[in-house]
Amino acid sequence: GAGVSQSPSNKVTEKGKDVELRCDPISGHTALYWYRQSLGQGLEFLIYFQGNSAPDKSGLPSDRFSAERTGGSVSTLTIQRTQQEDSAVYLCASSLLRQVDTGELFFGEGSRLTVL
Amino acid sequence: DQQVKQNSPSLSVQEGRISILNCDYTNSMFDYFLWYKKYPAEGPTFLISISSIKDKNEDGRFTVFLNKSAKHLSLHIVPSQPGDSAVYFCAAKGRSGGSNYKLTFGKGTLLTVNP
Repeated sequence: GAGVSQSPSNKVTEKGKDVELRCDPISGHTALYWYRQSLGQGLEFLIYFQGNSAPDKSGLPSDRFSAERTGGSVSTLTIQRTQQEDSAVYLCASSLLRQVDTGELFFGEGSRLTVL
Repeated sequence: DQQVKQNSPSLSVQEGRISILNCDYTNSMFDYFLWYKKYPAEGPTFLISISSIKDKNEDGRFTVFLNKSAKHLSLHIVPSQPGDSAVYFCAAKGRSGGSNYKLTFGKGTLLTVNP
């Protein structure tokens, strides 16, 4: 498709289980970002990829969170041993390199994670 | 500590009138500001931006004003249309330094434009 694609769109899991969220960016976009939006909050930066490398992982909330990007395209965000406070909408965005400077990101529809 | 604040969770205006959405920031390192618009069940979409070297940027019905001394920006929509009903997020970034890729968002303002 033409836009950023995320899957699953909805995920309900039990506390303690691992979840994997997938992002397929716009073709040709070398920059990829993960943000999350908890209920009543703004978007919170998690991680940024330039190509396959992530120069800044400081936004990841804990060591239960990890992300990778392979082939400069698809990215996966993995949350291990999920907790109820992990419940949020996880948003992926992509952009061209020059748009990193302008902040003009193209967001997917998000993956809504509910941890029971 | 919230570095970008949108103090009005919601705003309701009549079709045809002006909508004014406000945003305050605290970090003086921010030098680029953006507004994103979000419809339910969709991702945010970029709307308009402004650099700190300007005090106004206009794009059709949308104008963003920046008051650096007050660390305040506002988005004006005129005339407002029912299709403008959405959540509007203010975002800020620094364009220099090592974290120029990171946007800091406010909590959003839900705008409802009544026919």
